Amino acid sequence: NAGVMQNPRHLVRRRGQEARLRCSPMKGHSHVYWYRQLPEEGLKFMVYLQKENIIDESGMPKERFSAEFPKEGPSILRIQQVVRGDSAAYFCASSPSSGAPAYEQYFGPGTRLTVT
Amino acid sequence: KQEVTQIPAALSVPEGENLVLNCSFTDSAIYNLQWFRQDPGKGLTSLLLIQSSQREQTSGRLNASLDKSSGRSTLYIAASQPGDSATYLCAVEGGSRLTFGEGTQLTVNP
Repeated sequence: NAGVMQNPRHLVRRRGQEARLRCSPMKGHSHVYWYRQLPEEGLKFMVYLQKENIIDESGMPKERFSAEFPKEGPSILRIQQVVRGDSAAYFCASSPSSGAPAYEQYFGPGTRLTVT
Repeated sequence: KQEVTQIPAALSVPEGENLVLNCSFTDSAIYNLQWFRQDPGKGLTSLLLIQSSQREQTSGRLNASLDKSSGRSTLYIAASQPGDSATYLCAVEGGSRLTFGEGTQLTVNP
C-alpha cells in the first residue's frame, strides 16, 4: 500500500505565477488535510477536505489560496499570484474514513515551494 | 484556541543516554496525541499515537505517555543513538485538525 504521494517535491515559481500542488491520499483514505511549514516555524493547519467537499478551511488565507478534492484524482492546493512569503514546505496528510486508530493522519513527503 | 508547547527547543546528548521530551497543550478536549519525527528537508514520520482514553504507548525504544487532565505528554527515548538525531514534533488532534508544537531538535553525539 503506497503512502501519501505529493508532487512535485520541489517547485520554483516567480512572483505572480500560479503554483499547483498535488496530493494523492493513501488507498482507501477519503480525508485529506493540508499543512504549511514556513521557514523556522512549526506546521500550521490550512484546510481539511473530503471527496468533493471542503470541511474546514479556517487555516487557509482568504485570498489567492484554494483547495479541492474531486471525486476522481488527487487533491489540489492552488496558490495564485504567488509572493515570496508563500515560500514554504506544504504537507498533505490523509486519514481513513473509518476504523482504528481513529483520525491518525499519515503524511506525505511535502512539496517545497520557492518563490523567486 | 489550542496551543502546544514543546520543551526543550533543542537538546544535545551523548550516545547511550536516556532522554525525555516534553509537550504541553492548553485545551484538554483532544481526540488523540501524536509524536512525529522530522529529518532536515524531509516529511514527517509518525512515531506513536495515543488515544485520549489511553495513558501510554510503546514502540521499541520509544515510550510516550499522556496525562490529558494536566495537558501533558512525554516522549521517552531509551539508549539514544546518533540515528535518533532529528526534530521531534508533538501534535494534538481536536476535531479535524492537528495542532503542532514547534518541536525539539535532538542531536545525539557519537
